[in-house]
Amino acid sequence: RKEVEQDPGPFNVPEGATVAFNCTYSNSASQSFFWYRQDCRKEPKLLMSVYSSGNEDGRFTAQLNRASQYISLLIRDSKLSDSATYLCVVNGLGGYNKLIFGAGTRLAVHP
Amino acid sequence: DGGITQSPKYLFRKEGQNVTLSCEQNLNHDAMYWYRQDPGQGLRLIYYSQIVNDFQKGDIAEGYSVSREKKESFPLTVTSAQKNPTAFYLCASRTTSGSSTDTQYFGPGTRLTVL
Repeated sequence: RKEVEQDPGPFNVPEGATVAFNCTYSNSASQSFFWYRQDCRKEPKLLMSVYSSGNEDGRFTAQLNRASQYISLLIRDSKLSDSATYLCVVNGLGGYNKLIFGAGTRLAVHP
Repeated sequence: DGGITQSPKYLFRKEGQNVTLSCEQNLNHDAMYWYRQDPGQGLRLIYYSQIVNDFQKGDIAEGYSVSREKKESFPLTVTSAQKNPTAFYLCASRTTSGSSTDTQYFGPGTRLTVL
């Protein structure tokens, strides 16, 4: 089993749609969770950290379910500019300093 | 401007040659990392360093070497022993305050192609 698993997609959605991505992780001791965004042929950029109580940043909402070892990202009112690959990231064994990246979920928003 | 710089952006190498990829950061971060990314795959950790003059192997260190002589710099050498070096190489840095929200920031990457 991979340490961090994501549905690769692609998710093809129209502008204005709501889309949700899921991610599962294998290390029950993980304490740090993030969503990164990666545009084609560019470096990953932090989208948001994921907190235990869930958190929202504009149109983006992240949720964490520790019991099920599951993280989600919800994007409301999708924009064309949201088209990218979304990476689920979890800290691995050895503490906070080593992060494990999922392979990413690709999102394509069309007019 | 604060950030992470990598050079060169594109690099072409002949088989059998060693090449060194540069990574510099002025964020005053303690920890630095090297990853490679292949098409359709996630990032894989090559090496990481938490303090100057110390570094650890990641998951795919064979055929690579690093040094950490200065806090700001963490160069990666891709040696001729690396069997399939063509990939996108990403350098990252991170604070090590111990907070669960310490995040990694990435440089723009170097695309290495072996001819």
